Amino acid sequence: SQKIEQNSEALNIQEGKTATLTCNYTNYSPAYLQWYRQDPGRGPVFLLLIRENEKEKRKERLKVTFDTTLKQSLFHITASQPADSATYLCALAYSGAGSYQLTFGKGTKLSVIP
Amino acid sequence: NAGVMQNPRHLVRRRGQEARLRCSPVKGHSHVYWYRQLPEEGLKFMVYLQKENIIDESGMPKERFSAEFPKEGPSILRIQQVVRGDSAAYFCASSQHHRQTSPQETQYFGPGTRLLVL
Repeated sequence: SQKIEQNSEALNIQEGKTATLTCNYTNYSPAYLQWYRQDPGRGPVFLLLIRENEKEKRKERLKVTFDTTLKQSLFHITASQPADSATYLCALAYSGAGSYQLTFGKGTKLSVIP
Repeated sequence: NAGVMQNPRHLVRRRGQEARLRCSPVKGHSHVYWYRQLPEEGLKFMVYLQKENIIDESGMPKERFSAEFPKEGPSILRIQQVVRGDSAAYFCASSQHHRQTSPQETQYFGPGTRLLVL
């Protein structure tokens, strides 16, 4: 069965630095990959989507890369701010029984230290 | 501009009781998805519904769990005879278009219902 691993449970970085989060998967590549942000006590919020034939996507201070050879996606937050502190989830979309299913990683808890 | 609404936000049940979780999708969305998040685990897909239809229930436990999305009213996730292992956060998400024809369709998540079984 498909396994998704996010590099670490927790990541601490200094304000202003670039945070890099990793999402690795096994077996076959997904049709597309999404990144979400989840704050405590709240539901996930969609951030970015990247398709299997795309190498990189950007949105403001966020950048996502997708390497199907390495079976890995990297999520970067540049010029990080304390407000970026949250848990970040990667989700892979596979064709399931009649629909595309999202399979989520456990998440990486990012703490940006002032 | 209301997003996905879920109620109750917190639900406490004793073993053997029934739990009913409600989800009102974003206005205009007719596709609803339920996920479960166990402590220290990732979100797990449970079921995908369209109005009056179950499209994909491959993630639903075979017993005690059921879901519906009637023509009128919210989607309901029902757990009968709850056990301690059912304690988790249950999230509902909605989208505007059919996931099969628009696989990149963004899903909007609700705040979740935290179920605690004593």
